[in-house]
Amino acid sequence: EVQLVESGGDLVQPGGSLKLSCAASGFSFSGSTMHWVRQASGKGLEWVGRIRNKANSYATAYAASVKGRFTISRDDSKNTAYLQMNSLKTEDTAVYYCSRSGNGYNDYWGQGTLVTVSS
Amino acid sequence: QSVLTQTPSASGTPGQRVTISCSGGRSNIGSNTVNWYQQFPGTAPKLLIYYDNQRPSGVPDRFSGSKSGTSGSLAISGLQSEDEADYYCAAWDDSLKGVIFGGGTKLTVL
Repeated sequence: EVQLVESGGDLVQPGGSLKLSCAASGFSFSGSTMHWVRQASGKGLEWVGRIRNKANSYATAYAASVKGRFTISRDDSKNTAYLQMNSLKTEDTAVYYCSRSGNGYNDYWGQGTLVTVSS
Repeated sequence: QSVLTQTPSASGTPGQRVTISCSGGRSNIGSNTVNWYQQFPGTAPKLLIYYDNQRPSGVPDRFSGSKSGTSGSLAISGLQSEDEADYYCAAWDDSLKGVIFGGGTKLTVL
C-alpha cells in the first residue's frame, strides 16, 4: 500500500523557520520525483516545488513565491523528502501536502500537515 | 490570480453531463499535458485524469478529459451526488518552470 505521511507542521512566528518531512512507503521512492503543494484555508492548490530523482541529479524547482526561502531535499536511504522553510510569512500559512510524480502527474498524495505562521 | 483559468463554480442535476473548462496558454497547456484532480473538503487531492485524457485505475469512465489548443476540459457524465467536490486542472509551465494549478471549480449536484 502506498503511503505518504507528512509531519512537522506547527505554529511559528513570522520570520521563523520550520522543516517538514514526508515519509514514503509502498513505491519506488528513489525513482520518483517528489513535490510539495500547499493550500491555504478556503483557497486553491498552490505548487511549492519539486525535487527530481538521482538519475536527474536531484534537480529542484520552486514557485516564485517561495524561491530563496524554501529548500526541498530528500534522503533516499530513509525514503523521506523534506521541505525546509525559512523567513516564514503569514501568507505561508497553509496545509502542506507532499506528492509524488512518476511521469509528469501527481498520483500519490499525503494527508497534509498544517503550518500556521502567526505572532 | 491563477495562470490556468477555471470557472469558480458549476452545477448539475443527477444524471446530467457537466463540463469544466481550464484555459491556459502556449507555455503550459499549449506545450504540456493537462492533469485533473478531485478534492473533497478536508481531504487530499486525488488524481482524476492525466495526460489530457487518461484515467487512473479505479476512476469511473463517467469522467473524461480532453484538450484543444491551450484549453483543457473535464467532463462528468451521469452526474452523481458523490461527485460534489472541488476540481483542479494542472500543467507544467515552460516559462515559469513549475507546475501551475487552476483556481479550482466547485461542483454542486442539485
